[in-house]
Amino acid sequence: GAVVSQHPSWVICKSGTSVKIECRSLDFQATTMFWYRQFPKQSLMLMATSNEGSKATYEQGVEKDKFLINHASLTLSTLTVTSAHPEDSSFYICSASQGSSNQPQHFGDGTRLSIL
Amino acid sequence: GQNIDQPTEMTATEGAIVQINCTYQTSGFNGLFWYQQHAGEAPTFLSYNVLDGLEEKGRFSSFLSRSKGYSYLLLKELQMKDSASYLCAVTLNTGGFKTIFGAGTRLFVKA
Repeated sequence: GAVVSQHPSWVICKSGTSVKIECRSLDFQATTMFWYRQFPKQSLMLMATSNEGSKATYEQGVEKDKFLINHASLTLSTLTVTSAHPEDSSFYICSASQGSSNQPQHFGDGTRLSIL
Repeated sequence: GQNIDQPTEMTATEGAIVQINCTYQTSGFNGLFWYQQHAGEAPTFLSYNVLDGLEEKGRFSSFLSRSKGYSYLLLKELQMKDSASYLCAVTLNTGGFKTIFGAGTRLFVKA
């Protein structure tokens, strides 16, 4: 089946550091990828839709200058958490689908980000 | 706004049948997905409904009524490994097929 790879799986860093998370679709081309954030025992909250070759579409309340998204190729999207603070600590998950509405999302394994 | 409701927690016995309900009110609808998520892991796809009716897939079945904004996931012959969160998700008919997730139902299967 379709595979999405997300890296790194775990990050612990100091406040003020910028952290980059990579999301790769390994066996299909993904013109659209999605970035979610999940707090413990809560739902996946869509942060932004990453579009290959164009600007990402951010959800209301998500700071685009804080969470930089780059989708430079059909297989790679990156999320950079700039100047991270403890409140940015969360589980970040990316997903990709094979391009039509009846295709499920294929999720990366997630990145657990802890800011000290 | 977008709203997806499902029970927070359910408990069932190994070997039994459990039904997890989901109601949604969304601006646009393209399809409804159910995902399973074990603690600390990413969600995995279980089922997809776009038309009214029941979709069966082994021990899992999912039902949709678009007019009522209602779906359920039915799990049969429950196993201990079925203990997980079950996420109801609606894909909107907007460009890019944005998907909105419910908060998930945590299912505990007991012996």
